[in-house]
Amino acid sequence: KQEVTQIPAALSVPEGENLVLNCSFTDSAIYNLQWFRQDPGKGLTSLLLIQSSQREQTSGRLNASLDKSSGRSTLYIAASQPGDSATYLCAVNSGSGNTGKLIFGQGTTLQVKP
Amino acid sequence: NAGVMQNPRHLVRRRGQEARLRCSPVKGHSHVYWYRQLPEEGLKFMVYLQKENIIDESGMPKERFSAEFPKEGPSILRIQQVVRGDSAAYFCASSPLGTGDSPLHFGNGTRLTVT
Repeated sequence: KQEVTQIPAALSVPEGENLVLNCSFTDSAIYNLQWFRQDPGKGLTSLLLIQSSQREQTSGRLNASLDKSSGRSTLYIAASQPGDSATYLCAVNSGSGNTGKLIFGQGTTLQVKP
Repeated sequence: NAGVMQNPRHLVRRRGQEARLRCSPVKGHSHVYWYRQLPEEGLKFMVYLQKENIIDESGMPKERFSAEFPKEGPSILRIQQVVRGDSAAYFCASSPLGTGDSPLHFGNGTRLTVT
């Protein structure tokens, strides 16, 4: 059974720092992995999607890497800003990719202090 | 282009009542997923529907919960005889594809409180 874990559960950094959020999964047979952002009281916004054949994806100040063999993904945020404060969720599509069903980690809540 | 619309945003029900949660997917999306986020827990998959069909309901409790996605109109998640443990945020997501190749688009959720 696939399990997704995110460490740390919470993180507080001063503005401008580069930071890394970690995600691990127990079964390396994944179809793809997504990183989402969730603001308080809101839904989820998709940040990056990495296919199982890819090693990384970049969007602006965000870079996500995937190491399938070790069951790990990282989300790197460069030059953090207070507006980056949110909960970041990692989710894997653990099947053959014939559905969009995702298994989520519990998230890392990030606070960026001005 | 409207995103996924869920209503109501907040719903309060007394124990034993019924709760109906609605989800209108992104225009043109025919695949809908429901997830539940219990307090202090991550999002858990409940059910995946295509128009008029339930494809995967492996995450749905066997009793009191049902879901539909009719040919016309929104997808409905129905909870009968609600109990306090049903209090959670319920999220709907839609996709244009039935595969994992396209990111899911999430709504802002319905927060159900059972008193």
